[in-house]
Amino acid sequence: AQSVTQPDIHITVSEGASLELRCNYSYGATPYLFWYVQSPGQGLQLLLKYFSGDTLVQGIKGFEAEFKRSQSSFNLRKPSVHWSDAAEYFCAVGGTSGTYKYIFGTGTRLKVLA
Amino acid sequence: GAGVSQSPSNKVTEKGKDVELRCDPISGHTALYWYRQSLGQGLEFLIYFQGNSAPDKSGLPSDRFSAERTGGSVSTLTIQRTQQEDSAVYLCASSRKDINQPQHFGDGTRLSIL
Repeated sequence: AQSVTQPDIHITVSEGASLELRCNYSYGATPYLFWYVQSPGQGLQLLLKYFSGDTLVQGIKGFEAEFKRSQSSFNLRKPSVHWSDAAEYFCAVGGTSGTYKYIFGTGTRLKVLA
Repeated sequence: GAGVSQSPSNKVTEKGKDVELRCDPISGHTALYWYRQSLGQGLEFLIYFQGNSAPDKSGLPSDRFSAERTGGSVSTLTIQRTQQEDSAVYLCASSRKDINQPQHFGDGTRLSIL
């Protein structure tokens, strides 16, 4: 069965520090992969997506993610975190097996210290 | 803006009442999705529409839940005889028809059952 694991429920970093949020997926072929961010009381905003091609994907707000097939991972990174990045981050697998629904990870809540 | 619009943003109702949640997708998006976001449960898929038909209803948790979409646009999610466990944020998303098009989310309806 398809699944997405985000092993870190909470992460705290200092402003200006680098960030890496982990995401592992389970699927038999190359899935479509996404990272979304959710601020309190808001919906989900797409940060970046991977369908095929270059395994390093650039997104909005200075985020990037790298697809590593051998590790079944799609980790999200940012070189320098800003206080406004505090939010919940969701990794998702989608468009697989002819279905359109996304399978989401349980999310990682990011706290940024001033 | 031209994003996905959901109404109401908040709904408080008594156990046993019926509720209707509305989603207005992005113009031109033929695919529409409903998800439920519960505390501790993450995001779970409920139903997917392509046009007015629903090829995947696999996530609807019980027969108290139903959804329809008319004119290939607005969708309504109806919950009959609400229970306290129905309390959650209900998120709607839409996308273009192609399988590799990302889903765009609304801000959700926060449903509280007293």
